[in-house]
Amino acid sequence: EEQLVQSGAEVKKPGESLKISCKGSGYSFSNYWIGWVRQMPGKGLEWMGIFHPGDSDIRYSPSFQGQVTISADKSISTAYLQWSRLKASDSAMYYCARRSNSHHGMDVWGQGTTVTVSS
Amino acid sequence: SYELTQPPSVSVSPGQTARITCSGDALPKQYAYWYQQKPGQAPVMVIYKDIERPSGIPERFSGSISGTTVTLTISEVQAEDEADYFCQSADTSGTFVFFGGGSKLTV
Repeated sequence: EEQLVQSGAEVKKPGESLKISCKGSGYSFSNYWIGWVRQMPGKGLEWMGIFHPGDSDIRYSPSFQGQVTISADKSISTAYLQWSRLKASDSAMYYCARRSNSHHGMDVWGQGTTVTVSS
Repeated sequence: SYELTQPPSVSVSPGQTARITCSGDALPKQYAYWYQQKPGQAPVMVIYKDIERPSGIPERFSGSISGTTVTLTISEVQAEDEADYFCQSADTSGTFVFFGGGSKLTV
């Protein structure tokens, strides 16, 4: 079964750093783009950026450029989303999702990681 | 333009047909995708490339396009179809993705 499994919920203080993960299995991880999507409480889906583990190509949404870092370690089939200094406004659910190779839709989604930033 | 507009809510009775629209200037040139998101769950793709249905998605889900508007149609709506539905498209490279604001389907 092709799946993405994300790391568990996080509770952090403003100013702290954080790195969440997304592990792929059941498919060739290096051959598919992995995207990250934010969903704030009660709100819609926001595109953050996308990373290709095969060649480390990365594209950020202008809204998130400079705010987060997207990366991956293809040797362990894991993608990452990290913050150097969290803000309360970063509190949200974060999803990783695989982009299909035959079209531009996201065909496999992780279960989501809840990030809570509070003093 | 990378904007997609959806109605905030759609309401139907069980057994009726629900139609959720998504409008955007990019849609005649780029494919649209639809996702279903139930409370507390991750999104699930229900339509890709405007009209195609992934395996495992019931036949009552269908997609169509007319000009700058794509439509998700759910025939014979069931209580289990109550969810948020998001449309999505992308730029030509497929690396800039954008979503509609979402439509809450109430059954």
